[in-house]
Amino acid sequence: QVQLVESGGGVVQPGRSLRLSCAASGFVFSNYDMHWVRQAPGKGLEWVALISYEGRDKYYADSVKGRFTISRDNSKNTLYLQMNTLRPEDTAVYYCARGTPSGYWGQGTLVTVSS
Amino acid sequence: EIVLTQSPGTLSLSPGERATLSCRASQSVRSSYLAWYQQKHGQAPRLLIYGASSRATGIPERFSGSGSGTDFTLTISRLEPEDFAVYHCQQYGSSFTFGPGTKVDIK
Repeated sequence: QVQLVESGGGVVQPGRSLRLSCAASGFVFSNYDMHWVRQAPGKGLEWVALISYEGRDKYYADSVKGRFTISRDNSKNTLYLQMNTLRPEDTAVYYCARGTPSGYWGQGTLVTVSS
Repeated sequence: EIVLTQSPGTLSLSPGERATLSCRASQSVRSSYLAWYQQKHGQAPRLLIYGASSRATGIPERFSGSGSGTDFTLTISRLEPEDFAVYHCQQYGSSFTFGPGTKVDIK
């Protein structure tokens, strides 16, 4: 069965960096575009970034452009989100999601940016 | 950027009643690339509808989507107890944006 498992969340100070991972299994990872979507506490969903199936094309929300980098390692079936210069407003549960639209989601990992 | 507005913010209904949720876009959504997701507390979203009106795999027939251009609707014909949740619309025709969500709660 399809599984997406995020990891790497935690508490980090403003201005610091964090890297999230999403381990995929149960499907041919290299065949699918992948997204990161976040949800601030008590708020709605916000699309963060998309990477194409082969990793060539990457797209970002304006709110994270220049600070976040999406990448993937198809040999390891893993999606990444490198988050630099973190801000308090980046506090959220971060989900990885498969495909457009996204029929499969991970359970999310919480990132808290606070001093 | 296409902005999505959902109404109402909260819908209070009883089991067995019909729910009608609206999603309006600030500009036309290309090729009706509009999806609906259901999210229960503490869980990840679940895809219900894609392409404005196609049900995702395993989604019960009581869920239906309609609309085009800038106005879209999700209808739940008869609410079951497990349907009380938050519903998000998403457009994926021009980048990706989500609406703020509609909460369907028990009256």
